[in-house]
Amino acid sequence: QQQVKQSPQSLIVQKGGISIINCAYENTAFDYFPWYQQFPGKGPALLIAIRPDVSEKKEGRFTISFNKSAKQFSLHIMDSQPGDSATYFCAASINPGSARQLTFGSGTQLTVLP
Amino acid sequence: DAGVTQSPTHLIKTRGQQVTLRCSPKSGHDTVSWYQQALGQGPQFIFQYYEEEERQRGNFPDRFSGHQFPNYSSELNVNALLLGDSALYLCASSRGGNTIYFGEGSWLTVV
Repeated sequence: QQQVKQSPQSLIVQKGGISIINCAYENTAFDYFPWYQQFPGKGPALLIAIRPDVSEKKEGRFTISFNKSAKQFSLHIMDSQPGDSATYFCAASINPGSARQLTFGSGTQLTVLP
Repeated sequence: DAGVTQSPTHLIKTRGQQVTLRCSPKSGHDTVSWYQQALGQGPQFIFQYYEEEERQRGNFPDRFSGHQFPNYSSELNVNALLLGDSALYLCASSRGGNTIYFGEGSWLTVV
């Protein structure tokens, strides 16, 4: 019940296209859903995050869409650029007190072709 | 403002040995968590420290232990290393259950 399932495993998009990565969860107690971007040899960097009381959050070219009833959320990258080529992880967590522990998806390797 | 810093960045150990990894949290952060990321997988939660005590623990054996110091920095210790312990070990810091920031990680290779 703690799993977060992420798809696709890999994604190839042309420059200027839209990249879409999907995640699904089972535990309805999750209350925080961040997306992290990770370049080879680096640690994950927070990209954007959403809480279940909103259906969409946009920051620049990055948008999270959240469907609470379907227990799904997705990351949309508009106008994808070669510099966006990285591995993307969705995550979810519960916040019992202040002890936020992240459960990660398996990752999506995004390649944006020039 | 320095982010989360970890040391060493890379290390090689022999099976059966012990290793200590170190982490300094982002300025103002009081909570430190450790994650293990195997090659090609998402990070997995090991444990979290707050006020110098282990507050939460993931599904990792007792060979994995940690410590948090009064200045909020932290250490991760792994005893009796196995080949399967080879991974990127990530430290993450936060304050008050808010945004979690990760360090660059320590690459551990067990041979």
